[in-house]
Amino acid sequence: IAGITQAPTSQILAAGRRMTLRCTQDMRHNAMYWYRQDLGLGLRLIHYSNTAGTTGKGEVPDGYSVSRANTDDFPLTLASAVPSQTSVYFCASSTTQGTEAFFGQGTRLTVV
Amino acid sequence: KNEVEQSPQNLTAQEGEFITINCSYSVGISALHWLQQHPGGGIVSLFMLSSGKKKHGRLIATINIQEKHSSLHITASHPRDSAVYICAVRSINTDKLIFGTGTRLQVFP
Repeated sequence: IAGITQAPTSQILAAGRRMTLRCTQDMRHNAMYWYRQDLGLGLRLIHYSNTAGTTGKGEVPDGYSVSRANTDDFPLTLASAVPSQTSVYFCASSTTQGTEAFFGQGTRLTVV
Repeated sequence: KNEVEQSPQNLTAQEGEFITINCSYSVGISALHWLQQHPGGGIVSLFMLSSGKKKHGRLIATINIQEKHSSLHITASHPRDSAVYICAVRSINTDKLIFGTGTRLQVFP
C-alpha cells in the first residue's frame, strides 16, 4: 500500500442495504476524513477523526457512521442506504497540524 | 454565498495558452490548497500555501491574504492539463477544509 487506499472503487447498492466503504492509509497520519462529492457542489465533510479512538461529525453526517479503531483504518458505514446517498466518496488524511491533504481514489456509490 | 468561490466554472483553452484560475474566500484561513481531479480519477494535491507564491514545473500558485484571493496559473498549457481544479481553504476556526466547486479546464491540441 502506498498512500491512501479506498475500496470498493464502485458499487451499486439496493436501497435499505447496509454498506461499509473502506479506507486505509500507511502514512501514519493522525487525521482522517470522509467527504462526498456531488455535481455542482464542493466536497462536503461527512465525518472526521483527529486521532485513533476519536471521531467527529462534519457538515453532512446523517445516515453515516464511522469508527477509528487504529491509526490506519477509517471505515464509513451506511446503515440503511437511500438514493440520496448516491455520490462519489473520498477518504483523505493529513497530519494533525493540517498540512498537505492526501486523497484516496474515490468510491462511486449508486443507491437504487 | 459560498465561503469559497472559484472562477471561471469552465475554461477552454488551446494548447500553449496561459491559464489563470481564481479563488476567493470569505473566512479566516491557515492555509489554502489547490487540488487537481482528472475525469474518473482521484484528487491530487498540487499546492498548499499560506503566503506568497509557489511554483512547480508549469504550475504557479499565488495567494494574497489581505485580499483573500488566490490564483493558479498554468503556463504553456497542454491537453494533459485537462482536469477539474479545486481550491480549498483550511478554516482557522474549525481547522477543517472548505472546498470550492471546482473549475473544469479543457485544453485542446
